Amino acid sequence: EAGVAQSPRYKIIEKRQSVAFWCNPISGHATLYWYQQILGQGPKLLIQFQNNGVVDDSQLPKDRFSAERLKGVDSTLKIQPAKLEDSAVYLCASSPGFGVKNIQYFGAGTRLSVL
Amino acid sequence: QKEVEQDPGPLSVPEGAIVSLNCTYSNSAFQYFMWYRQYSRKGPELLMYTYSSGNKEDGRFTAQVDKSSKYISLFIRDSQPSDSATYLCAMSAGSSASKIIFGSGTRLSIRP
Repeated sequence: EAGVAQSPRYKIIEKRQSVAFWCNPISGHATLYWYQQILGQGPKLLIQFQNNGVVDDSQLPKDRFSAERLKGVDSTLKIQPAKLEDSAVYLCASSPGFGVKNIQYFGAGTRLSVL
Repeated sequence: QKEVEQDPGPLSVPEGAIVSLNCTYSNSAFQYFMWYRQYSRKGPELLMYTYSSGNKEDGRFTAQVDKSSKYISLFIRDSQPSDSATYLCAMSAGSSASKIIFGSGTRLSIRP
């Protein structure tokens, strides 16, 4: 079974530029998550989708971050404009269903450096 | 005060030693407790999953939850160099809308 695929693996941009990350979840997984992991910290949930609907985006900085999950499969996370403090690893995860009892499977992440 | 506190380490032990990793938390609503392992430049992977208080064992790994003290532990027996990674505790209140809150992780190194 293929895992969660993310691209690109690394991205370096200057502040105020825009950037987009892509995630392809495990086939058949209804729930998709985007996390931000700053160096030395644990992952922090940014947004959670159930199929193509948003379940929780309470910690997404909506003035600069946006995410979509078209057709309930792939997802993109965009930052525009980027700030220095956005430097982090952006992790995508998916799970078969909804709720904490469903194991989340993580991708390897996209490492973003904002200069 | 953070909801979940975890000593960042690093922790270095010789191969074969017993490792003890710990987290404390402040939210008494947490009922589901997890330990994730994260290798360098990889995503976290679930190691152990426990509901409420008590112990759970899986091979060389034992997870303990003490809800009265708001304290959870992960023990690794007969530690191996391949156990070298960052270990993240995580917890959730468990309702369908509850998100998982992660600790900051403890970096563990097993010396051959």
